[in-house]
Amino acid sequence: QSVLTQPPSASGTPGRRVTISCSGSSSNIGTNTLSWYQQLPGTAPKLLISTNDERPSGAPDRFSASKSGTSASLAISGLQSEDEADYYCGAWDDSLNGWVFGGGTKLTVL
Amino acid sequence: EVQLVESGGGLIQPGGSLRLSCAASGLTVSDNYMTWVRQVPGKGLEWVSVIFTGGYTHYADSVKGRFSISRDNSQNTLFLQMNSLKAEDTAIYYCAGDQGDGTIDYWGQGTLVTVSS
Repeated sequence: QSVLTQPPSASGTPGRRVTISCSGSSSNIGTNTLSWYQQLPGTAPKLLISTNDERPSGAPDRFSASKSGTSASLAISGLQSEDEADYYCGAWDDSLNGWVFGGGTKLTVL
Repeated sequence: EVQLVESGGGLIQPGGSLRLSCAASGLTVSDNYMTWVRQVPGKGLEWVSVIFTGGYTHYADSVKGRFSISRDNSQNTLFLQMNSLKAEDTAIYYCAGDQGDGTIDYWGQGTLVTVSS
């Protein structure tokens, strides 16, 4: 059981917009930066974007992140086939004194 | 370019010990919050341990008392000493770094630890 809650799957057709939600609590999302990580098949996770708008150089601006209270979301516009991956939300938790993650959302591009 | 390269994984019997290493380049281990995250193949991410710039450490309850995180500043390397290993510790172990803003900016490629008799 993950501390952060994500839907297990999401899907969309090429060119469309899809959003993935992430729900937490006041000790994690409610207080700290929420980040999104992309894990392509067979590879390590990598930082995609965070809610303080930090994104690695080269990360496409088709990805955007937002946060409200204890919930957050990742939006992907102009969906592309290479976006098929697992997406994880993560944040520092002040009660657990460690990072917590969502269970991951498998994105399928139809 | 930042590179984190893990090593030391392998097959180990239950109750055994293993020491993982993470050699860093393009990043100073002592200037970052360095962490270990593990992932059972096909499953989600689980945080394991962190060492802060000041040397303070924290552990997930599932490994507390069995695992120990440390770093060697001269080698710019992070370590994870794993003792009393259990089958449920089987996972890919990732070394990762946070510049102190609560975002895990850098990830290694991972090393697989399999605990089985």
